[in-house]
Amino acid sequence: EVQLVESGGGLVQPGRSLRLSCAASGFTFDGFAMHWVRQVPGKGLEWVSAISWNGAGIGYADSVKGRFTISRDNAKNSLYLQMNSLRAEDTALYYCAKGQNTYYSPNYFDSWGQGTLVTVSS
Amino acid sequence: QSALTQPASVSGSPGQSITISCTGTSSDIGFYNYVSWYQQHPGKAPKVMIYDVSNRPSGGSDRFSGSKSGNTASLTISGLQAEDEADYYCASYTGSSTSYVFGTGTKVTVL
Repeated sequence: EVQLVESGGGLVQPGRSLRLSCAASGFTFDGFAMHWVRQVPGKGLEWVSAISWNGAGIGYADSVKGRFTISRDNAKNSLYLQMNSLRAEDTALYYCAKGQNTYYSPNYFDSWGQGTLVTVSS
Repeated sequence: QSALTQPASVSGSPGQSITISCTGTSSDIGFYNYVSWYQQHPGKAPKVMIYDVSNRPSGGSDRFSGSKSGNTASLTISGLQAEDEADYYCASYTGSSTSYVFGTGTKVTVL
C-alpha cells in the first residue's frame, strides 16, 4: 500500500524559510515522479511543484518560482520542498502526491498524503 | 494560469445521475487529453477518480465516467449514493511553466 507522510509544517513569520519533507513507502520510490500540491483550508487545490524520478526534470508554479526548491533523496525514499521568502498567501495545507510515471509531466496524481499545514503570519 | 471553471454546487437524489462540468481554454483542456478528476471528503486527502479524460484507476467505481468536448471536460456520477457526497476537482496538464491547473471545485450534495 502506498503511504506518503508529510512533515515540517508549522507557524512561520513572513520572509522566513521552512523545509517540508515527505516520507514514501509501499512503492518503488525512484520509479516515479513526485509532486507538491497545496490547499488553503476551505478553498481549492493548487499545483506547486514536481520532480521527475531522477531529479533531472523539475517544474514550479509561477506563484512560487524563485522562492521554492523541490528535491528528492531516492536512497531515503524522501521528497522535500524548501520554501524561502514565505508570504501570507503561501499559508495552506501542503500535500505530497505521487505521479504515475517517471517524468513529471504529463501526470496525474494517483496517491496523496494527508498534508502538513504551513501558516505564514507575524 | 487561471483556475478551470466548475459549478460551485451540484445536487441529486440517490440513484440519479449528475454531471459536473469543467471549463478551461484551448491551451489546457482543449489541447491536451490529460484531464483528471479528484474526489475529496471533508478532512481527507483527494482521491483520483478519472484520469486522461475518461480512464478509471484500477479498482475504481464504474459509476464514475469522464468525457471531453472542446475546452470543457465533464464528470458523470451514475446511480448517486450517499457516499458520493464530497468535493470534486478537475485538473488539466497545461504544457506551460505552471504545468497543471485545477478547477475551482464542486460540492456534490446527495439529497
